[in-house]
Amino acid sequence: GENVEQHPSTLSVQEGDSAVIKCTYSDSASNYFPWYKQELGKRPQLIIDIRSNVGEKKDQRIAVTLNKTAKHFSLHITETQPEDSAVYFCAAPISGNTPLVFGKGTRLSVIA
Amino acid sequence: DVKVTQSSRYLVKRTGEKVFLECVQDMDHENMFWYRQDPGLGLRLIYFSYDVKMKEKGDIPEGYSVSREKKERFSLILESASTNQTSMYLCASRKYSYTEAFFGQGTRLTVV
Repeated sequence: GENVEQHPSTLSVQEGDSAVIKCTYSDSASNYFPWYKQELGKRPQLIIDIRSNVGEKKDQRIAVTLNKTAKHFSLHITETQPEDSAVYFCAAPISGNTPLVFGKGTRLSVIA
Repeated sequence: DVKVTQSSRYLVKRTGEKVFLECVQDMDHENMFWYRQDPGLGLRLIYFSYDVKMKEKGDIPEGYSVSREKKERFSLILESASTNQTSMYLCASRKYSYTEAFFGQGTRLTVV
């Protein structure tokens, strides 16, 4: 089955700096790669996703890049703000199925 | 606005009790999931369902069962609660394998 590794587990950045979180996956048939943000005490919510037919997707300060050959994808947050502080999860689907396998999460702290 | 609603935000149960966690979605999604969230372990898949009456085991099904009698409702059952089942439980649903998964608000279960 799918295995998703996420690094780093914690990340601290100064406000205004960039943050990068990386994930690797094992199943070469995986075709959809979402990123979720979970604020303290709240449910995970999708912030950006990418399908396997594109290499990069941007949405304002957030971008995701995908390297299918190397089987890894990354979340990039530019011009970080204190409200970006949260736990971020990457995920990939079990091959051909709908359940998502999640990474263990990255706790991002943006220091003002 | 799409919604996934879990019946309880907090539950305290005694060891050996039978526990029911209920989840309802109003998006007409075929696919529903139960995850368990523990610090440092991310979200781990317990069970999922593609359709009414249908269920599949996830990564950690031991000690749990599920019921899907109606499309909108997916129940997680702890047949005999144990202290190692103290955790945050998250329900989710999604339409297709390449679309967003929506989460419920979570149920924090404490077994004493």
